[in-house]
Amino acid sequence: GQQVMQIPQYQHVQEGEDFTTYCNSSTTLSNIQWYKQRPGGHPVFLIQLVKSGEVKKQKRLTFQFGEAKKNSSLHITATQTTDVGTYFCAGMGGGATNKLIFGTGTLLAVQP
Amino acid sequence: DTGVSQDPRHKITKRGQNVTFRCDPISEHNRLYWYRQTLGQGPEFLTYFQNEAQLEKSRLLSDRFSAERPKGSFSTLEIQRTEQGDSAMYLCASSPRLAGLYNEQFFGPGTRLTVL
Repeated sequence: GQQVMQIPQYQHVQEGEDFTTYCNSSTTLSNIQWYKQRPGGHPVFLIQLVKSGEVKKQKRLTFQFGEAKKNSSLHITATQTTDVGTYFCAGMGGGATNKLIFGTGTLLAVQP
Repeated sequence: DTGVSQDPRHKITKRGQNVTFRCDPISEHNRLYWYRQTLGQGPEFLTYFQNEAQLEKSRLLSDRFSAERPKGSFSTLEIQRTEQGDSAMYLCASSPRLAGLYNEQFFGPGTRLTVL
């Protein structure tokens, strides 16, 4: 079945450093979404990417969708302590399915 | 609060007992999803409703699990004859049906199930 992997599993940075997490799907995706889950919280939607090669920015966050629509990345510039949490990519396959397949997640720790 | 709500927030049960969870989606959201999340993992898809119709169900969902959404509003997830391996956070999410592909999912706080 479809699998979505993320690397790294865990990243510890000093506040102000940059951070990147990478997401790879075993199959081509119709779109990819990114969610953030704070410790003890529930996933919160960040963004959705649909087009091949698409790049979107939200303040210090930059999201990319690969040309083959099988990989994606999230880059955070100048991390802050409020960025702490687990970042999940979630892929949606083609066809009629509305099922999201979540990645394994990257836990980000930011040291002040 | 107009977000997705789930009840109960915590449930402790003994192995072999049945449990039922409830999810109230955001009103006007016609799509509802159930996920299961264990520690250190991403949410795992269980099932999906559009209005009252259950349109998709994970093959991982054993026949001990059943979900309903009888009037297309709230949903229930029942687990029969619980096993220790069922211990997890059960998340509900809802989304509106919009034109195009935009399909953001709004998650509830989850029900944490512990099976002793």
